[in-house]
Amino acid sequence: QKEVEQNSGPLSVPEGAIASLNCTYSDRGSQSFFWYRQYSGKSPELIMFIYSNGDKEDGRFTAQLNKASQYVSLLIRDSQPSDSATYLCAVTASGYSTLTFGKGTMLLVSP
Amino acid sequence: SQTIHQWPATLVQPVGSPLSLECTVEGTSNPNLYWYRQAAGRGLQLLFYSVGIGQISSEVPQNLSASRPQDRQFILSSKKLLLSDSGFYLCARVGSVYNEQFFGPGTRLTVL
Repeated sequence: QKEVEQNSGPLSVPEGAIASLNCTYSDRGSQSFFWYRQYSGKSPELIMFIYSNGDKEDGRFTAQLNKASQYVSLLIRDSQPSDSATYLCAVTASGYSTLTFGKGTMLLVSP
Repeated sequence: SQTIHQWPATLVQPVGSPLSLECTVEGTSNPNLYWYRQAAGRGLQLLFYSVGIGQISSEVPQNLSASRPQDRQFILSSKKLLLSDSGFYLCARVGSVYNEQFFGPGTRLTVL
């Protein structure tokens, strides 16, 4: 069974700090990896995806992938109170049309 | 642009009543479509997905069913709701590159 594990949190960081969110997955065949942000009461919003080992940067967000360790992370630089949300990690394998989601990590950024 | 609409936004239903939730997609043809449920304190649970008209794959056996009567329409139904059916129901479509998924605004269902 494919599993995606995330620490439920909450992860509390002060404004301006770097928030580091982590995710591990069980299926070695996983090919694409996604990070979603979900504000309370709202639907998930795709913020990053990565498919190659290494780092991918987009503004204040950096996704990091290590397929050997089956580990993917999301770094948020200069965290803002508006970044407070639950962050969901999702993975999919090549040829599959479905995603497996983790349960999410709640991030709280205090002013 | 590709937009997902879900109707209704919120719903309160008694136990044993029927259910029909609608998802429609604009700006794309023949998309893969998905129904998820997110119960309080739990993760996203994939319920059904569809790769085309009349093609439905069920991920979790339960008292829910899905139909895809039109290319851009995906419907989630139940004949008799249970208390455990309460949750946030999300429709999603697949993107074009890496199987990324984009979600609609969701329907919050409360079964009393």
